[in-house]
Amino acid sequence: GQSLEQPSEVTAVEGAIVQINCTYQTSGFYGLSWYQQHDGGAPTFLSYNGLDGLEETGRFSSFLSRSDSYGYLLLQELQMKDSASYFCAVLYGGATNKLIFGTGTLLAVQP
Amino acid sequence: EAGVVQSPRYKIIEKKQPVAFWCNPISGHNTLYWYLQNLGQGPELLIRYENEEAVDDSQLPKDRFSAERLKGVDSTLKIQPAELGDSAVYLCASSSGLAGATQYFGPGTRLLVL
Repeated sequence: GQSLEQPSEVTAVEGAIVQINCTYQTSGFYGLSWYQQHDGGAPTFLSYNGLDGLEETGRFSSFLSRSDSYGYLLLQELQMKDSASYFCAVLYGGATNKLIFGTGTLLAVQP
Repeated sequence: EAGVVQSPRYKIIEKKQPVAFWCNPISGHNTLYWYLQNLGQGPELLIRYENEEAVDDSQLPKDRFSAERLKGVDSTLKIQPAELGDSAVYLCASSSGLAGATQYFGPGTRLLVL
């Protein structure tokens, strides 16, 4: 089956850098996505890694290593508004074209 | 560009009652998804539509859940009868073409079954 594991909670201070890890036990997927969800809000797309390596989008970067079954989301220059839940999700393509989400990491940014 | 619209935002019903949720995807998005999200968990796919065709409903509990997407635009998800365990947030999402990695979610319907 498919399994994606993330730390349940991470705490960091404003202005710092934080890394949220995602380890998985699955194969045959197209890539790894990251979504942000504020409390009571809709999940919002952040980043996608179709290939191994680092993808950078402003303050957010995401990394994928298929050989290590591992990915991470890196948030730099943390702001209070970054306090939210972050989900990794593997994409299965072709006729399936579906996302399988991880358990999510609750990030608390402190002043 | 308008985002994914869902209604109602909140719904409280008694068990064994029916309930329906409505979703209007982003204009031009041919793929529509319904997810269920329990508290503290990630979204779980219930059903995926490509235009008006349900192409993946393997996770939909068909004894009590049904969905439709008439004319390939709006969609409705129904539960009949509702059970206590159905209390959750029901999310609708849409995407364009084969870009399944980038899905646009609506705000969800928070369902409480008493």
